[in-house]
Amino acid sequence: NAGVTQTPKFRILKIGQSMTLQCTQDMNHNYMYWYRQDPGMGLKLIYYSVGAGITDKGEVPNGYNVSRSTTEDFPLRLELAAPSQTSVYFCASSINQNTEAFFGQGTRLTVV
Amino acid sequence: ILNVEQSPQSLHVQEGDSTNFTCSFPSSNFYALHWYRWETAKSPEALFVMTLNGDEKKKGRISATLNTKEGYSYLYIKGSQPEDSATYLCAFSSGGSYIPTFGRGTSLIVHP
Repeated sequence: NAGVTQTPKFRILKIGQSMTLQCTQDMNHNYMYWYRQDPGMGLKLIYYSVGAGITDKGEVPNGYNVSRSTTEDFPLRLELAAPSQTSVYFCASSINQNTEAFFGQGTRLTVV
Repeated sequence: ILNVEQSPQSLHVQEGDSTNFTCSFPSSNFYALHWYRWETAKSPEALFVMTLNGDEKKKGRISATLNTKEGYSYLYIKGSQPEDSATYLCAFSSGGSYIPTFGRGTSLIVHP
């Protein structure tokens, strides 16, 4: 099984550009999450989804959007990229909120 | 925003030493406590999910305990090895949102 797959692995954006970070999982998990990791700050939740068609904001949602049209896919959209969005982004999935989460390999994004 | 604290922030030990670190979380409305191991340049991997007060979990040389009434969990590593070097994250979820909130992690370095 591939598990959780994120693309791209690296990306450099200019201020004001937009992009979509892709995340797909093949474990039929209901729950999916997007986190960002900043140095010394641990993982901050951006958005999450408890099933297809349902999304909700996490701790740091400003500047991002998500959609969950299928169980497998949970793309994260950055509109009008800002330097503050320079970070490493992790997608994760779990069966439910009570089970372990499986993480993708991360996307390192730099906004210049 | 739930307050999840991990201590110490970093730890250096010698090979063969046993060590432990702490995750503190709100003691009210507990739902679940997760421990993850995060090696450099990789993605977090689940160690334990704990849901009951007094829970003890073990995986090889790593074990964890849970005290939901006083709001803490300990992670123990017996006979540390260089391959144990990683950041150890805990994540707490409450009965309110159920979605795990991560601490900042404890960085463990085991010197040969």
